Amino acid sequence: AQSVTQLDSHVSVSEGTPVLLRCNYSSSYSPSLFWYVQHPNKGLQLLLKYTSAATLVKGINGFEAEFKKSETSFHLTKPSAHMSDAAEYFCVVSEGGTYKYIFGTGTRLKVLA
Amino acid sequence: NAGVTQTPKFQVLKTGQSMTLQCAQDMNHEYMSWYRQDPGMGLRLIHYSVGAGITDQGEVPNGYNVSRSTTEDFPLRLLSAAPSQTSVYFCASRGQGGSITLHFGNGTRLTVT
Repeated sequence: AQSVTQLDSHVSVSEGTPVLLRCNYSSSYSPSLFWYVQHPNKGLQLLLKYTSAATLVKGINGFEAEFKKSETSFHLTKPSAHMSDAAEYFCVVSEGGTYKYIFGTGTRLKVLA
Repeated sequence: NAGVTQTPKFQVLKTGQSMTLQCAQDMNHEYMSWYRQDPGMGLRLIHYSVGAGITDQGEVPNGYNVSRSTTEDFPLRLLSAAPSQTSVYFCASRGQGGSITLHFGNGTRLTVT
């Protein structure tokens, strides 16, 4: 069965410092993995996705994530946080060829000036 | 491009009232779905459809009905609103085949008093 765990419900960083949002997953088959961002009162926007090609995935706004099968992880990183990065981030797993998506419970990122 | 459009943005209902949340997409996507978002619980699937005339239940279907008469529209009906249905509702769609990214609307914030 699929599952996804976001290890931190809240993360605070100072502007200009690195961001790390952690995600572990469980999947019986080859998973597809996604990170979505949700700004206040908005829908979810795709940041990046992994679909069994390169394990290091680059997304929008300077974010990237690395698929590590041995660790069943898909952590999201950014070298330098901006104030505009303050939002909620969701890690999502889907098994290839299915319409089933499992969402993590979200990590709220706060960026301090 | 409009993408996925949800109406209304906000709604307040009294217990027992019924209403329909509207969702329309202009990307010719076969798959459409409804999620509810509650604090600390991520997004949970209510109902989904893989094409006109085909619908199925998700994780939390009780108290909701759907139908899919056209490719573009996928309305969600609350038959008799309850306070437990206070939530933010998101409609999402995706294309067929290798296109696996979910595209989200901006959500409907529903309060049931």
